[in-house]
Amino acid sequence: DAKTTQPNSMESNEEEPVHLPCNHSTISGTDYIHWYRQLPSQGPEYVIHGLTSNVNNRMASLAIAEDRKSSTLILHRATLRDAAVYYCIPQDSNYQLIWGAGTKLIIKP
Amino acid sequence: DTAVSQTPKYLVTQMGNDKSIKCEQNLGHDTMYWYKQDSKKFLKIMFSYNNKELIINETVPNRFSPKSPDKAHLNLHINSLELGDSAVYFCASSQDMAGGSDTQYFGPGTRLTVL
Repeated sequence: DAKTTQPNSMESNEEEPVHLPCNHSTISGTDYIHWYRQLPSQGPEYVIHGLTSNVNNRMASLAIAEDRKSSTLILHRATLRDAAVYYCIPQDSNYQLIWGAGTKLIIKP
Repeated sequence: DTAVSQTPKYLVTQMGNDKSIKCEQNLGHDTMYWYKQDSKKFLKIMFSYNNKELIINETVPNRFSPKSPDKAHLNLHINSLELGDSAVYFCASSQDMAGGSDTQYFGPGTRLTVL
């Protein structure tokens, strides 16, 4: 099963873009990359997912490296409400999501 | 309307007791899950049900028994509670577990404290 490496924490200023990196060098060719986030005292929340191409939705963009060994979640304009732990999650061969420690995103006003 | 709901939100109990946590989803999804998030914040899947049938049963003590009376409900019963069971338990649902692009929707969590 694919393992991921994410920074323990990152800081960003409010209203600025945030790039959250994730390494998943052992991911197989057919595994999707999912991103979820968990706000304080809440359940995890889906953000975005992709396979090979870059993806955009109303919450964020996902840039996937051509070799698929890494990806970057992009929040175009961070707000205080985006402060959360962000999880980069590959699925495994049984389609389960393999959760790691995630990146704690701190937004400074 | 809340998509995935859990009750209770907080549960404080003594060691050795038996307790249940209930989960309901109104999304019409086929698959439901139970996760445990310990003090280090790692989320670990415990069980997965698809159309009321057990699909995933990770290495969980048999004191934990999930029950799915129908597709919209997945309850978690815990016998003989131990201190190490203290954690936040999340219920989740998705449309199709077998799909690689499937999205999971989580409940608000139940914080279980065993004294």
